[in-house]
Amino acid sequence: SQTIHQWPATLVQPVGSPLSLECTVEGTSNPNLYWYRQAAGRGLQLLFYSVGIGQISSEVPQNLSASRPQDRQFILSSKKLLLSDSGFYLCAWSFDGATNEKLFFGSGTQLSVL
Amino acid sequence: GENVEQHPSTLSVQEGDSAVIKCTYSDSASNYFPWYKQELGKGPQLIIDIRSNVGEKKDQRIAVTLNKTAKHFSLHITETQPEDSAVYFCAVINDYKLSFGAGTTVTVRA
Repeated sequence: SQTIHQWPATLVQPVGSPLSLECTVEGTSNPNLYWYRQAAGRGLQLLFYSVGIGQISSEVPQNLSASRPQDRQFILSSKKLLLSDSGFYLCAWSFDGATNEKLFFGSGTQLSVL
Repeated sequence: GENVEQHPSTLSVQEGDSAVIKCTYSDSASNYFPWYKQELGKGPQLIIDIRSNVGEKKDQRIAVTLNKTAKHFSLHITETQPEDSAVYFCAVINDYKLSFGAGTTVTVRA
């Protein structure tokens, strides 16, 4: 079976500090990978998605970047955090190909930028 | 991207009663409509989905109905239980990506 791991669960960072959130998927090959952000009381905003190693698509202009150094590893980064980067970050994966609509989410990272 | 509106934003029901959440979308070409449940501090989980070639799908106490003409779909939870308390999100696929509604916080009162 497939599993997704996301860490850390919570993170408190000062403004201007760097960020690195990591996500890995087990039990499948060549998954589609996604980073979402969830602001308090709001829906899920797609930040980045990747259909393969080194292939990153950005959905919204922002202070964040994503990388996929390995097939099942997805990293969300920032060089200098802003207050507005606070939120709940979710990594997700889907199967490659025609059945890629179903998303499987990680447990999320609560990021507080102070 | 796709515009998905979800109502209500909060819903409080007595245990045993039914809960209904409705979503509307704008792109008539959309053909896949999932519902996700998010418990506190966790990631969302898919609970039921429907494709545009059917009008209704049921899984035990949960059902989803789709009206493609009116471009809306609804989640129905019958005989609600305390463990149904969570945030529920609808979503619509558009250009191979999911667009989510803003979520509905459901509270089941004992």
